[in-house]
Amino acid sequence: GDSVTQMEGPVTLSEEAFLTINCTYTATGYPSLFWYVQYPGEGLQLLLKATKADDKGSNKGFEATYRKETTSFHLEKGSVQVSDSAVYFCALSEAPLYNQGGKLIFGQGTELSVKP
Amino acid sequence: NAGVMQNPRHLVRRRGQEARLRCSPMKGHSHVYWYRQLPEEGLKFMVYLQKENIIDESGMPKERFSAEFPKEGPSILRIQQVVRGDSAAYFCASSPLGRETQYFGPGTRLLVL
Repeated sequence: GDSVTQMEGPVTLSEEAFLTINCTYTATGYPSLFWYVQYPGEGLQLLLKATKADDKGSNKGFEATYRKETTSFHLEKGSVQVSDSAVYFCALSEAPLYNQGGKLIFGQGTELSVKP
Repeated sequence: NAGVMQNPRHLVRRRGQEARLRCSPMKGHSHVYWYRQLPEEGLKFMVYLQKENIIDESGMPKERFSAEFPKEGPSILRIQQVVRGDSAAYFCASSPLGRETQYFGPGTRLLVL
């Protein structure tokens, strides 16, 4: 079945460091790809998404490019801040039927800790 | 514009009791999803519903768990005869008709004593 694999955490960085969180997927079809962020004690917030190959999703300085040839969707940020400390989840959704949604399949999450 | 609402935020039950978790989707959203997050794990899909219909329940345990999304009112996830292994955070998400992006609620943290 479809699956998502993320790099294991926790990841600890100093403020203003460069961030990469690796995400690879296996899917039988042509999924849409998502990054969600979860702050302590809260629900998930959509960070960015990409719906087809070579699309780049971006938001709040984070970006990720849908790479079909390597089945990857790595999350990057050029300069992290303490406020970026959270758990980051990569997820996929199979292309839905018309007017239907579809379940999200999540990776295990990567905890990021940014130190001042 | 209120987001996805879940209540209660925290729920404590003793083994053998019933747990009822409620989810009100965002205004205008007709799709509801339930996910479970066990400690130190990612989110696992449980069930996908539209109004009065279960579309996909492939992630629901075969026994003790049920879900509904009635014509009026919130979606309910019901766990009968809870056991300690049911302790987890349960998240609800909603999406508009025909759209993929799901918006998550704050979750209900269930603790079974």
